[in-house]
Amino acid sequence: EPEVTQTPSHQVTQMGQEVILRCVPISNHLYFYWYRQILGQKVEFLVSFYNNEISEKSEIFDDQFSVERPDGSNFTLKIRSTKLEDSAMYFCASSEQGGRSNQPQHFGDGTRLSIL
Amino acid sequence: AQSVTQPDIHITVSEGASLELRCNYSYGATPYLFWYVQSPGQGLQLLLKYFSGDTLVQGIKGFEAEFKRSQSSFNLRKPSVHWSDAAEYFCAVGAATDKLIFGTGTRLQVFP
Repeated sequence: EPEVTQTPSHQVTQMGQEVILRCVPISNHLYFYWYRQILGQKVEFLVSFYNNEISEKSEIFDDQFSVERPDGSNFTLKIRSTKLEDSAMYFCASSEQGGRSNQPQHFGDGTRLSIL
Repeated sequence: AQSVTQPDIHITVSEGASLELRCNYSYGATPYLFWYVQSPGQGLQLLLKYFSGDTLVQGIKGFEAEFKRSQSSFNLRKPSVHWSDAAEYFCAVGAATDKLIFGTGTRLQVFP
């Protein structure tokens, strides 16, 4: 069964440094998402992306965050200047259709980001 | 505003016992509802989904869930739990836009 793959599985970064988290969505999916889960807390929506632009973002997704689909397969999340509170598990997801469709989101295994 | 409540943070059951995990949602329209499972160190795997139609939905691994509009609930059930079911379970509602709104999760522990 096709999967969403994320790399790296664990990223350790010094505070203030830039970090890029990478995702390869399922190949025929058109909608892409990033979520995060701070340790012990719920999974929170960050951003959705369709047709090479952001379709929705949460208040968490401030100017320090950006997303990009640099080629036909990868979908990246960049944090420009990391803060301690960015430490979390970041999940990428994709779906065939978005919004109020009957196509569910499929998640990757996540990247654990640790900011020192 | 849309929200999801999972009242049980931690549940412990014996292997072979039945299981019910509770989920209540708040959403103005007909909700799209999901249950995901997260095993340690792994991502979120879709167990089942409800979009419309039959209010009792079957999922993978022998799980089922029942949508009850009158109670704003979407409880997950399994008649006989296996040790491999130990994991964290998340209920989620699909909002009017693209995002999923998750509950805080229920950690299931299974004793032999």
